[in-house]
Amino acid sequence: EADIYQTPRYLVIGTGKKITLECSQTMGHDKMYWYQQDPGMELHLIHYSYGVNSTEKGDLSSESTVSRIRTEHFPLTLESARPSHTSQYLCASSGPTTNEKLFFGSGTQLSVL
Amino acid sequence: AQSVTQPDIHITVSEGASLELRCNYSYGATPYLFWYVQSPGQGLQLLLKYFSGDTLVQGIKGFEAEFKRSQSSFNLRKPSVHWSDAAEYFCAVGARGGGNKLTFGTGTQLKVEL
Repeated sequence: EADIYQTPRYLVIGTGKKITLECSQTMGHDKMYWYQQDPGMELHLIHYSYGVNSTEKGDLSSESTVSRIRTEHFPLTLESARPSHTSQYLCASSGPTTNEKLFFGSGTQLSVL
Repeated sequence: AQSVTQPDIHITVSEGASLELRCNYSYGATPYLFWYVQSPGQGLQLLLKYFSGDTLVQGIKGFEAEFKRSQSSFNLRKPSVHWSDAAEYFCAVGARGGGNKLTFGTGTQLKVEL
């Protein structure tokens, strides 16, 4: 059902590298989100966007940045990866109605050595 | 700010047995409430949601949940569990007027014994 895609599925990278996690959706949704998920912990909202050229930081402070140049694309970038960034990153999108359901991608498991 | 507590980290049930997963929320008004399920290697999928009206809501895959304002709870139930229900279940709350930003609980890992 979900038409939201994240790449790569897994990423193992060394400290100090710049990385970009890709997220694309084909549903035409204006609202998109990035959540960070650690084992045994709640999902934390780190970024969200309500449309092109609109980005906001979420509840959890993150050193990552996002951009929204096209409706369907919401990439997340880490300029200099550190071991503390090791986590699962989930991208989601939703339609225009308030508290409409979120469609989630399969996630990117990032490991920084 | 809203918060969600899922007191059970792990639950194991036998196939065919009934299931109840607990969820308590904290929010100053009537919240929007959701249950999502995450299978291994997959993203989260919405099971059901409560916005207003009937406090017993039906979802997909035979799940239901009941909103109890007096107990600040939104427990998920299923009368007969199937082996394919083994997954992690997340309760979430959304603030009215807060856009679609959700606050999630820590999740409950469900194991089903055959």
